[in-house]
Amino acid sequence: NAGVMQNPRHLVRRRGQEARLRCSPMKGHSHVYWYRQLPEEGLKFMVYLQKENIIDESGMPKERFSAEFPKEGPSILRIQQVVRGDSAAYFCADGRAQKNEQYFGPGTRLTVT
Amino acid sequence: GQNIDQPTEMTATEGAIVQINCTYQTSGFNGLFWYQQHAGEAPTFLSYNVLDGLEEKGRFSSFLSRSKGYSYLLLKELQMKDSASYLCAVRANAGNMLTFGGGTRLMVKP
Repeated sequence: NAGVMQNPRHLVRRRGQEARLRCSPMKGHSHVYWYRQLPEEGLKFMVYLQKENIIDESGMPKERFSAEFPKEGPSILRIQQVVRGDSAAYFCADGRAQKNEQYFGPGTRLTVT
Repeated sequence: GQNIDQPTEMTATEGAIVQINCTYQTSGFNGLFWYQQHAGEAPTFLSYNVLDGLEEKGRFSSFLSRSKGYSYLLLKELQMKDSASYLCAVRANAGNMLTFGGGTRLMVKP
């Protein structure tokens, strides 16, 4: 997937715990997009970030979810007090507005027990 | 608002040709993407169309008609490994995020 890295690949959390998902775009790229894919459903946009800046968070749930992309280090998608409905695959994509492509990382599969 | 429709499932025979359709109604348009996704894996980029017409890339071709809000993905000489979900996605003018359809699950049979 063209160098976009995500970790962990699988994450199990109990209800009420916190989940932290990480994404590192390709070297030199400073834009990331987070998408969520619920079981048997299509991908839904969550948030678009540049380094140190949230560009569009229109797809983020209003509560418990937050995202950041610091100057140094990976982008982090944080889910507080997870519930069973948060169980899904979370994908990060890397792309720039002037490029006609958007490559996805391998995803993090979150299971809430 | 954004609305993207594609068939839920399709079945085709190995060696045949299959066409997967996608219709869209979006508040803006700045390109249409097709992705392939095998079960449990990440989407893989297949094609991009922004102008009307056909884009060919090996066994895969993608067509776009902006006036009709319509695209299709054409897969030729089907192979068993083509069994996967095919995702149609539109990029609106604002930002670079993609809006996805629900995906079409293609089953290739011998």
